Amino acid sequence: AQTVTQSQPEMSVQEAETVTLSCTYDTSESDYYLFWYKQPPSRQMILVIRQEAYKQQNATENRFSVNFQKAAKSFSLKISDSQLGDAAMYFCAYRSAYGNEKLTFGTGTRLTIIP
Amino acid sequence: EPEVTQTPSHQVTQMGQEVILRCVPISNHLYFYWYRQILGQKVEFLVSFYNNEISEKSEIFDDQFSVERPDGSNFTLKIRSTKLEDSAMYFCASSEAQTGSYEQYFGPGTRLTVT
Repeated sequence: AQTVTQSQPEMSVQEAETVTLSCTYDTSESDYYLFWYKQPPSRQMILVIRQEAYKQQNATENRFSVNFQKAAKSFSLKISDSQLGDAAMYFCAYRSAYGNEKLTFGTGTRLTIIP
Repeated sequence: EPEVTQTPSHQVTQMGQEVILRCVPISNHLYFYWYRQILGQKVEFLVSFYNNEISEKSEIFDDQFSVERPDGSNFTLKIRSTKLEDSAMYFCASSEAQTGSYEQYFGPGTRLTVT
């Protein structure tokens, strides 16, 4: 079974600075998808960014980018120019590419933005 | 932008009672999911549903749980005899497809409190 580990329960960053959230995962599969979801206080999960394991290029979405290290099974999220609206729980998630459509989530990192 | 909706936002019930949580997935989506999040813990997969059948379920999804798509728009989760440990946030999600890096769109959740 796949597992996802987020070792940072809480992180904080000054507004406009850069922060990196860590995620590691364990799998024996060679093809899969990785996601970062944001859960603000309203509690609705919102997709931030996704990465296909077969792609070597790291995904980027505006101020959000990932550092995907397949051999190390690491998938960190970098938030540049942090904004107050970035404050939320961030969940890393794994999904197999082999017909197993469920998302497996990590325990989350609570990000606080310091004005 | 289309979104997944869930009702009610908060449900309080007594132990042993039946509850039905309702979801309206995005209209052209074919795959539906339920997840739950016990307070302070990670989001856990419960069940996935496609073509009027359960396609996968977790160990949590035991005989007290059932899902149904009673009409063309609603997707429901029924808990037959609630227990205290069923208290959690329940999220519905839907996706356009199963394979590929298709996003699962989450609803805002229903907070279930069992007393």
